[in-house]
Amino acid sequence: AQKITQTQPGMFVQEKEAVTLDCTYDTSDPSYGLFWYKQPSSGEMIFLIYQGSYDQQNATEGRYSLNFQKARKSANLVISASQLGDSAMYFCAMGNLQGGSEKLVFGKGMKLTVNP
Amino acid sequence: EAGVTQFPSHSVIEKGQTVTLRCDPISGHDNLYWYRRVMGKEIKFLLHFVKESKQDESGMPNNRFLAERTGGTYSTLKVQPAELEDSGVYFCASRAGPSTDTQYFGPGTRLTVL
Repeated sequence: AQKITQTQPGMFVQEKEAVTLDCTYDTSDPSYGLFWYKQPSSGEMIFLIYQGSYDQQNATEGRYSLNFQKARKSANLVISASQLGDSAMYFCAMGNLQGGSEKLVFGKGMKLTVNP
Repeated sequence: EAGVTQFPSHSVIEKGQTVTLRCDPISGHDNLYWYRRVMGKEIKFLLHFVKESKQDESGMPNNRFLAERTGGTYSTLKVQPAELEDSGVYFCASRAGPSTDTQYFGPGTRLTVL
């Protein structure tokens, strides 16, 4: 069974600083994808970044990068130059890419607060 | 391009009543997923449609929940009769096809059963 662990319930960061959100995972599937989603107070789930298990390079999307360490089964999200609008809940998720439903398994999420 | 939309955004009903949630996926997306987040817990998978067919419904909690996707476009999730433990946020997500992995989520429907 797949499992996502996000141990940080909440974090505070100063505006313009970088922050790392932790995510570890467990799976026996050789092919999988890792995702990060942002949920602001308005409630919608916003896709941020994706990393495939066979990707050789760490994914980057603007100010977001994913620090993928396959041997350690970690997929930490790094947000550079934090902005006030980054304050939100952040969810790490994974899906099996070998076919089937590709349903996502989510972590409990963590709350990031960016202070001015 | 319009994103995933869900209706209603909020629903408050009494125990024993019926509620129907609707999801309109991104146009052209064959894959449609329903998820649920009960207060304080993880977001959990409910079921997956490929076009109009149920690919995986292993996450459906019980037979009070019925999902349909007639014609392979929008989907409905009916809860009948609703129980207190059904309260939570119901998310719908869609994905284009086998060549893409990302699921795009709708804003969710917050269901409160009193």
